[in-house]
Amino acid sequence: EAQVTQNPRYLITVTGKKLTVTCSQNMNHEYMSWYRQDPGLGLRQIYYSMNVEVTDKGDVPEGYKVSRKEKRNFPLILESPSPNQTSLYFCASSLRPPDVSRAQSMWKLFFGSGTQLSVL
Amino acid sequence: ILNVEQSPQSLHVQEGDSTNFTCSFPSSNFYALHWYRWETAKSPEALFVMTLNGDEKKKGRISATLNTKEGYSYLYIKGSQPEDSATYLCACGEAGNMLTFGGGTRLMVKP
Repeated sequence: EAQVTQNPRYLITVTGKKLTVTCSQNMNHEYMSWYRQDPGLGLRQIYYSMNVEVTDKGDVPEGYKVSRKEKRNFPLILESPSPNQTSLYFCASSLRPPDVSRAQSMWKLFFGSGTQLSVL
Repeated sequence: ILNVEQSPQSLHVQEGDSTNFTCSFPSSNFYALHWYRWETAKSPEALFVMTLNGDEKKKGRISATLNTKEGYSYLYIKGSQPEDSATYLCACGEAGNMLTFGGGTRLMVKP
């Protein structure tokens, strides 16, 4: 089954304890992205990746790291989590990044099931 | 960072009513407009991606239009059903790879 898999679904941690949220897709998608969702603020992009070894900052990258060593995986790393990083996180992927030479249908994002993170 | 706004924030309608909501975005550097449907406790799912001024897309009872010159998109639901209850998100892409989401419109359809 084609899907984006995030783990864990729920995580409670303490300030300063490094954590990684994993994201994996089995659709050979080039583009992957991380979002956080906070009440009243909508989905905000943290980092995105155009392809292997290509990553870039989104709107709210502070306090986060990512890596894209393989096409299928795009982990989100919080080196020293803080309470203001308590949020609902989504990983998403699309077949291709937006490009006028490619069909719109290739740009649709497929989302993972979300990770609810609480930092105490 | 784009300013993508959706209105209304929430909407209660009766089963069978038709409804629509708005996504507005800056018209400069526009690249694409996405609509997603997000049910509670699930992940957002793509409805439409539109790029051209005047684009119209339809999927069952749901349709969307795009006006890139004035910077807005409408999402219409004809004959709302309880299963249409969800948050509807729009996202605007600039030339490049950033996709900025609006705050969503939460639709509740009463049987």
